[in-house]
Amino acid sequence: AQSVTQLGSHVSVSEGALVLLRCNYSSSVPPYLFWYVQYPNQGLQLLLKYTTGATLVKGINGFEAEFKKSETSFHLTKPSAHMSDAAEYFCAVSLYNFNKFYFGSGTKLNVKP
Amino acid sequence: DVKVTQSSRYLVKRTGEKVFLECVQDMDHENMFWYRQDPGLGLRLIYFSYDVKMKEKGDIPEGYSVSREKKERFSLILESASTNQTSMYLCASITQSGIGFFGQGTRLTVV
Repeated sequence: AQSVTQLGSHVSVSEGALVLLRCNYSSSVPPYLFWYVQYPNQGLQLLLKYTTGATLVKGINGFEAEFKKSETSFHLTKPSAHMSDAAEYFCAVSLYNFNKFYFGSGTKLNVKP
Repeated sequence: DVKVTQSSRYLVKRTGEKVFLECVQDMDHENMFWYRQDPGLGLRLIYFSYDVKMKEKGDIPEGYSVSREKKERFSLILESASTNQTSMYLCASITQSGIGFFGQGTRLTVV
């Protein structure tokens, strides 16, 4: 069975500070990994994904994530937070045929001026 | 741009009513999903469909059914709405490379 754990339901950073959102997964087979962002009253938007190849993945809006198989982690980072990054972020796992996605419970990012 | 459109942003229904939530995508994707989103629980899969008339149960299918008569349209049906089905419902359409496109959601309140 697959599961996704996001540590910290709320994270608060100052504008310009490093953003680190944690995601750990459990999977019986090598998974595909995703980060989605949800702005208020919106659907989810894909930030980045890892399927195969390079384990450091760059996404939109300056975000990146690194797949670490030994740690079963896929943490999301951004070197310098911007006010517009305030949103809820979801980590997701899927198997090779993409017919099921398992989402974490989400992390709300607050960016302080 | 890929577009996934959910027919209603907000709905208020009475207990026991039959409720239809409609979702339409315009990119010919085969895989479509219905999730419900509740605070602290993330997104939970209700049903998914990988082709016309094909459907599979997700993790929380009880009290729901789905219909996919045309490739672009995936409907979620609450057979007899109950207050514990008050939630945000999200429809998604997935490409063959796993990229998900989500609708804006339907916030359903059952009173």
